[in-house]
Amino acid sequence: QKEVEQNSGPLSVPEGAIASLNCTYSDRGSQSFFWYRQYSGKSPELIMFIYSNGDKEDGRFTAQLNKASQYVSLLIRDSQPSDSATYLCAVNQGGKLIFGQGTELSVKP
Amino acid sequence: DAMVIQNPRYQVTQFGKPVTLSCSQTLNHNVMYWYQQKSSQAPKLLFHYYDKDFNNEADTPDNFQSRRPNTSFCFLDIRSPGLGDAAMYLCATSVSGNEQFFGPGTRLTVL
Repeated sequence: QKEVEQNSGPLSVPEGAIASLNCTYSDRGSQSFFWYRQYSGKSPELIMFIYSNGDKEDGRFTAQLNKASQYVSLLIRDSQPSDSATYLCAVNQGGKLIFGQGTELSVKP
Repeated sequence: DAMVIQNPRYQVTQFGKPVTLSCSQTLNHNVMYWYQQKSSQAPKLLFHYYDKDFNNEADTPDNFQSRRPNTSFCFLDIRSPGLGDAAMYLCATSVSGNEQFFGPGTRLTVL
């Protein structure tokens, strides 16, 4: 079992829709969780982090964490073509990030 | 603006010819990381410095070495690059292992 799992996609949504990206992790002791956006050929960019159960909102982005289910998600509201990228879920274990394989999101105009 | 800088952005080397990649930061973060990322794969941690303490990942080949002469700079040395070492090399920084911020990366090509 992989430590951090994501659906590789591609996930295709129409412009203006909500994109939902999901991630599960295996280490119950994990305390902090991150979402990075990575455009093709570029480096990862931190867009959200969450430490507590529940929802955390920042603009069009909402991160959701459920530690009991070992599940973290990212919702992107009003998706734009510029949101088309690979989204990496990362879990902090002992100060090191364990990355999922990433979900490729495509937002169609 | 505070940032993580990597040089060069693109590096071409020959098989077996040593290469050094550099990373500098103005964030004054105490932890610096080097990752290798190949196409369509997640970043793979090679090693990191927590302050001056060097931490090598168990599966990082001996061909990869690192130096951190001061808080702001960190170098990745590849002693004898092979074709399989062609990748994007990412430097990242954090405060004591919290959120990590990545530099723009160096794309390494091995001929």
